[in-house]
Amino acid sequence: EAQVTQNPRYLITVTGKKLTVTCSQNMNHEYMSWYRQDPGLGLRQIYYSMNVEVTDKGDVPEGYKVSRKEKRNFPLILESPSPNQTSLYFCASSPSGRRSYEQYFGPGTRLTVT
Amino acid sequence: AQKVTQAQTEISVVEKEDVTLDCVYETRDTTYYLFWYKQPPSGELVFLIRRNSFDEQNEISGRYSWNFQKSTSSFNFTITASQVVDSAVYFCALSEDILTGGGNKLTFGTGTQLKVEL
Repeated sequence: EAQVTQNPRYLITVTGKKLTVTCSQNMNHEYMSWYRQDPGLGLRQIYYSMNVEVTDKGDVPEGYKVSRKEKRNFPLILESPSPNQTSLYFCASSPSGRRSYEQYFGPGTRLTVT
Repeated sequence: AQKVTQAQTEISVVEKEDVTLDCVYETRDTTYYLFWYKQPPSGELVFLIRRNSFDEQNEISGRYSWNFQKSTSSFNFTITASQVVDSAVYFCALSEDILTGGGNKLTFGTGTQLKVEL
């Protein structure tokens, strides 16, 4: 089954404790992105990757890091989480070329930073 | 810059009423895609529809229908005979042209919370 998986689905942590949210897709997609969703703001792109070892900032990259060492994985790293990073996070992937409009979203990770 | 506006923050209707969710977009691209997603209380994003900028045909899928009008930059979503299970947050989104970067970014509206009551 074609899917995007995220782990963990729920996470409560404390300020300053480094954490990683994993994202994996099994569709051999080139593009992967991270979004955060906040009330009244919709979803906003944090970082994206156009292929292995190619990443770039989205609209709200501050406080986040990513890496793309393998095509299937695109982890989101919070080196020193702060309460304003409490949010619902979505990973997404899509192919390149003519089917680039096909977006697949993961189930979301609800993060609370106290 | 791309922008999607969903002016309706929250809508409440009684079951069996028809309801229209508005979406207005801005883009300089001539090629783009528009999307609607549903987010039920469980939180996942459920894909509903995708339209490309060259296809202005309206679409109907069961109780759902979509009206795409390039002249007014709108892509409105109508639910006919609403049901309690339609209660969710609905997002309209616009895809950025791959060639202008952004890794196929979707620009989302702020969402419309739909509450359908008995």
